[in-house]
Amino acid sequence: DTGVSQDPRHKITKRGQNVTFRCDPISEHNRLYWYRQTLGQGPEFLTYFQNEAQLEKSRLLSDRFSAERPKGSFSTLEIQRTEQGDSAMYLCASSSTGVWNYGYTFGSGTRLTVV
Amino acid sequence: DQQVKQNSPSLSVQEGRISILNCDYTNSMFDYFLWYKKYPAEGPTFLISISSIKDKNEDGRFTVFLNKSAKHLSLHIVPSQPGDSAVYFCAASARSSGSSNTGKLIFGQGTTLQVKP
Repeated sequence: DTGVSQDPRHKITKRGQNVTFRCDPISEHNRLYWYRQTLGQGPEFLTYFQNEAQLEKSRLLSDRFSAERPKGSFSTLEIQRTEQGDSAMYLCASSSTGVWNYGYTFGSGTRLTVV
Repeated sequence: DQQVKQNSPSLSVQEGRISILNCDYTNSMFDYFLWYKKYPAEGPTFLISISSIKDKNEDGRFTVFLNKSAKHLSLHIVPSQPGDSAVYFCAASARSSGSSNTGKLIFGQGTTLQVKP
């Protein structure tokens, strides 16, 4: 078990371009979470999946953001028509149902810079 | 509306002394509280948690205290070590009405701890 993997680690994109990030959770974890962290702030919840079902989305997740978790394994987060305000660290985490209170396992994140 | 607040952006302590990190919250529906540690270029790492039905939880050098009447929790690190230097986040989770806890966490802004040798 190598933990939660996120790819890429860094992404620089021009404003208006689309970007997609990937998260591979710990294999036996059925819950997967996406968070966004900006400088000087704590992580902010974006969305979460239980298996392949997306059960909650934050109002932070505008129509330009979409997340999927096909087959309940890896997940992708896509941002369409990126804006400079989208520049942030995007964190993925996973846990098993009912044991999240022992803490999620976070990945190292994808740092997005929109220029 | 910042439901979880860490009002001290930074804290500096001497190695071997106690570090006390504080966190305040506003939502009385929070039923679990967690502390995470984050090193640069890494994701947050879980440290310790506490249920709202308890007032103290201890794990080695780390102890979390919860004061529900004051809506305040604190993390004590004794003794502090240089390797503890990191950003510490307080987080809380609430049970959704009529359902189990989803595990969605609300984080504070973080406190940067520096432990000097």
